[in-house]
Amino acid sequence: DARVTQTPRHKVTEMGQEVTMRCQPILGHNTVFWYRQTMMQGLELLAYFRNRAPLDDSGMPKDRFSAEMPDATLATLKIQPSEPRDSAVYFCASGPGRRAGSGNTIYFGEGSWLTVV
Amino acid sequence: AQSVTQLGSHVSVSEGALVLLRCNYSSSVPPYLFWYVQYPNQGLQLLLKYTTGATLVKGINGFEAEFKKSETSFHLTKPSAHMSDAAEYFCAVSGGGNEKLTFGTGTRLTIIP
Repeated sequence: DARVTQTPRHKVTEMGQEVTMRCQPILGHNTVFWYRQTMMQGLELLAYFRNRAPLDDSGMPKDRFSAEMPDATLATLKIQPSEPRDSAVYFCASGPGRRAGSGNTIYFGEGSWLTVV
Repeated sequence: AQSVTQLGSHVSVSEGALVLLRCNYSSSVPPYLFWYVQYPNQGLQLLLKYTTGATLVKGINGFEAEFKKSETSFHLTKPSAHMSDAAEYFCAVSGGGNEKLTFGTGTRLTIIP
């Protein structure tokens, strides 16, 4: 059963610490997304990659957030330094990328639940 | 630019009653429309989607939705609610040559026994 795998599932950290979240997209998928979910803002797109290249990171605070795809099987989202307002659920999702823009289904991981105290 | 409006952040229905969750979209290009469900402490799971062709689409767990271009709507329905349907439901839109989804704010569905 192919699925998007995210680690860690839960993280509690102190303000100012670095946080790294990892995602393994579904094998063969070439588009990867990072979304953030909060009560106030709902689901926000932070970053979007196709074939490991960033296509859109306009939703990501550039001063403290960074997203990369070191290889096709790993996507990372890093926050440095973390702040209490970063507390949220961070979802990674992947898509097959066939005929981009044709309504491909995007598959979500279980999320990384981050609490910054 | 694309956007989604979900009317009603909370909807309660009795078990066995009709479920209707509303979604209206705005898109400058032909839209692809999705409904996702999120159970507590879990990720999002696709219920159904509209891409092209038949405007009435059927999904998992007995849900269906109808794409109405003239009304810019994509409402989600289920004839008879089950307790297991209690969850949060998100409508989303994509299109214009990329796959990124723009989500609505979600509707929390409560089922009354």
